[in-house]
Amino acid sequence: DAGVTQSPTHLIKTRGQQVTLRCSPISGHKSVSWYQQVLGQGPQFIFQYYEKEERGRGNFPDRFSARQFPNYSSELNVNALLLGDSALYLCASSPEAYGYTFGSGTRLTVV
Amino acid sequence: AQSVSQHNHHVILSEAASLELGCNYSYGGTVNLFWYVQYPGQHLQLLLKYFSGDPLVKGIKGFEAEFIKSKFSFNLRKPSVQWSDTAEYFCAVIIYNQGGKLIFGQGTELSVKP
Repeated sequence: DAGVTQSPTHLIKTRGQQVTLRCSPISGHKSVSWYQQVLGQGPQFIFQYYEKEERGRGNFPDRFSARQFPNYSSELNVNALLLGDSALYLCASSPEAYGYTFGSGTRLTVV
Repeated sequence: AQSVSQHNHHVILSEAASLELGCNYSYGGTVNLFWYVQYPGQHLQLLLKYFSGDPLVKGIKGFEAEFIKSKFSFNLRKPSVQWSDTAEYFCAVIIYNQGGKLIFGQGTELSVKP
């Protein structure tokens, strides 16, 4: 049984660029959440989607956006990248509205 | 704003020592509580969770946690740690009826000396 898969695993971008991160939830899971984990801190909630609708948004600027597709996979987009956006981006999936199982994350480095 | 506090940033123990990691949250209503572990180079894994019922919750790998509502606490315990328990441990809370977002503590790094 495949877990939560995220792609790519690592990414290096230049300031001002845009990035798209992808997440495939566990089969049958309808909820996907995104978190940002900066080194030395706990993950911070960015977005939650359930049944393709946004259910929650954390305290992140409008440069961050996300969507969920009919197959429940999800994309996180970040525009106009800043050095401070460098972090591990985590996706979590759940059969219902609570995110339980995490993927391995995408390590984003902005230079 | 709701928050989660983990008392210790870094804990160092010898193998076979007992472990207790503190976690407190700041919300007076109904919560769901979680402990996650992140082994070096690996993804977050769920150790245990509390939704309701018996406040003493048993999880994987011999870990347990006790929910004390009056103290807003959900401390993690293990009677005898192993070198393989070296990892970062995160306490997290979901506020009931405020969506499904997890609010994480800052994490406690556990180092177990062989």
